[in-house]
Amino acid sequence: AQKITQTQPGMFVQEKEAVTLDCTYDTSDPSYGLFWYKQPSSGEMIFLIYQGSYDQQNATEGRYSLNFQKARKSANLVISASQLGDSAMYFCAMREGRNNAGKSTFGDGTTLTVKP
Amino acid sequence: ETGVTQTPRHLVMGMTNKKSLKCEQHLGHNAMYWYKQSAKKPLELMFVYSLEERVENNSVPSRFSPECPNSSHLFLHLHTLQPEDSALYLCASSPEATTGSSSYNEQFFGPGTRLTVL
Repeated sequence: AQKITQTQPGMFVQEKEAVTLDCTYDTSDPSYGLFWYKQPSSGEMIFLIYQGSYDQQNATEGRYSLNFQKARKSANLVISASQLGDSAMYFCAMREGRNNAGKSTFGDGTTLTVKP
Repeated sequence: ETGVTQTPRHLVMGMTNKKSLKCEQHLGHNAMYWYKQSAKKPLELMFVYSLEERVENNSVPSRFSPECPNSSHLFLHLHTLQPEDSALYLCASSPEATTGSSSYNEQFFGPGTRLTVL
């Protein structure tokens, strides 16, 4: 079974609007971390935001927030006030184990296109 | 500016060539990784090194040979590759912190080497 599932191969959003990128995960380890990365066309993977399995509050980093629903095993990324530069591939990833020192598993990614 | 650098950024090689990809991290991290990213496939973890010891080898063909001479450098030696090995090869590093429940071992990625095998 796939550990990280991103069901949206592609998403479109109008500039200045908010968009939610879906991510569900599967693990039996009580300790895990969830990460979102952005990959522009240049290829570099850019870390955006992290949510730990024991974190009580949803993570936020500027325009990025993570809608963490532990019971549903979902960790959706919300981008507010989209900008043209947000157009990129977005990957959800999970690292299992204490201090999240285990192997990372990545989803298939979602291509986000921001329209002017 | 990223703390993880990769060279070369682009590489075209024939199936009989031998080449090496280089990754260097200036972040003082203890763990380094090689990933392969092919078109229309999820990111595939190839190798993991922790404190210069290989701790993960995900059934990667022997034509890929990693080397980690120290915690700052990671190489991927390539020989007799196949056209299907053409992909973006990403290097990453992480602290692999062992203390503090709030640490989360974020991975920092390099810009990647885009490899084309003819």
